[in-house]
Amino acid sequence: EDQVTQSPEALRLQEGESSSLNCSYTVSGLRGLFWYRQDPGKGPEFLFTLYSAGEEKEKERLKATLTKKESFLHITAPKPEDSATYLCAVRASGSARQLTFGSGTQLTVLP
Amino acid sequence: EAGVAQSPRYKIIEKRQSVAFWCNPISGHATLYWYQQILGQGPKLLIQFQNNGVVDDSQLPKDRFSAERLKGVDSTLKIQPAKLEDSAVYLCASSPGGIAEAFFGQGTRLTVV
Repeated sequence: EDQVTQSPEALRLQEGESSSLNCSYTVSGLRGLFWYRQDPGKGPEFLFTLYSAGEEKEKERLKATLTKKESFLHITAPKPEDSATYLCAVRASGSARQLTFGSGTQLTVLP
Repeated sequence: EAGVAQSPRYKIIEKRQSVAFWCNPISGHATLYWYQQILGQGPKLLIQFQNNGVVDDSQLPKDRFSAERLKGVDSTLKIQPAKLEDSAVYLCASSPGGIAEAFFGQGTRLTVV
């Protein structure tokens, strides 16, 4: 069974204090790892897709990296508007190619 | 490009009543997902369609939940009868298919009292 574990559950940072969120996964044949941002009362917003170990993607203050067992979302010099829940999801091989989510990391950036 | 549309945004019903949610995916997207998200948790897949066929409904409580996708486009998710534990946000997402990313709608927040 595919499993996705995110840590920490919650993270509070001061504005400008860089940190990383972790996503550990167990999946039979990874066909993509996805990062989403979710604001309260809204649906998840797509951020990145990573397909193979060693791959990196960047967008503004966010950088996602992938190894064979985990992914990191690095946040550099965060701002209060980066406060949100960050969700990680994996897609496995197989006919259905389900998208399985972790429980998320709730990030709060204080001014 | 228009995103995934869902309605209603909010619904409050009494237990044992029935409720239906509607989803219109992004035009041309072959894959459609319904997820249930309980407060403080990640989305949990209920059912996945490829065009108008079901490819995964292993986590759908089939004694009370049903879903269909009409002509491979719009989809409805129904709960009958509802239980208190069905209180959650129901998210619809669509994807072009294959290994591409999925895009989500705003969700429907269901409260069962």
